Amino acid sequence: EVQLVESGGHLAQPGGSLRLSCAASGFGFDDYAMHWVRQVPGKGLEWVSGISWNSNIVKYADSVKGRFTISRDNGNSSVHLHMSSLRTDDTAMYYCVKDYSDTVIHCSMDVWGHGTMVTVSS
Amino acid sequence: NFMLTQPHSVSGSPEETVTISCTLSSGRVASTYVHWYQQRPGRAPTTVIFRDDQRPSGVPDRFSGSIDRSSNSASLTISGLKTEDEADYYCQSFDSFNPVVFGGGTKLTVL
Repeated sequence: EVQLVESGGHLAQPGGSLRLSCAASGFGFDDYAMHWVRQVPGKGLEWVSGISWNSNIVKYADSVKGRFTISRDNGNSSVHLHMSSLRTDDTAMYYCVKDYSDTVIHCSMDVWGHGTMVTVSS
Repeated sequence: NFMLTQPHSVSGSPEETVTISCTLSSGRVASTYVHWYQQRPGRAPTTVIFRDDQRPSGVPDRFSGSIDRSSNSASLTISGLKTEDEADYYCQSFDSFNPVVFGGGTKLTVL
């Protein structure tokens, strides 16, 4: 069974940093691109970032470009999101998502994790 | 900016058929793919349709996807409505500049 388990979400101060992690299992992790998608409670879905199977291609939403960094460790079947210069509007549930393909040029979401909540507040 | 427009809400009674539309603001629907996600209250999203009309394993065949070149839109159709189908539904596509764009979501109410 494909599983994605996120961790690392908690309360952070504006201007601070946070590192989210996603542990994957049940599939050939290094064959697929991975994404982070976030959702403010009660609002819609917003794509944050994606990374290709071999980390050669990474993409970011304009709202996080220059502040967030996505990375992956194929040996440990994990993907990470390093978040810095946090703002109050980064407050959201963050989902780790497996893509159907190995690249982040034309993306389609396959399996979603249960999410980890990030709250940015002073 | 590339956008996907969905109706804010739709409703139907059990056993009825409902259709949710997703209109592309630019580009041609036939030149891209549209995917659909279901999010039940308090739950993470799940994929119900990918690449316009493909159903992941485990998704009932009551769910179907299609595209309409004349209206430059995609549709998600749910037949034989069940109370468990009550959820938010999101379409998603991409363009040359944005690898992932979500629609604003449609709340489906089963009356």
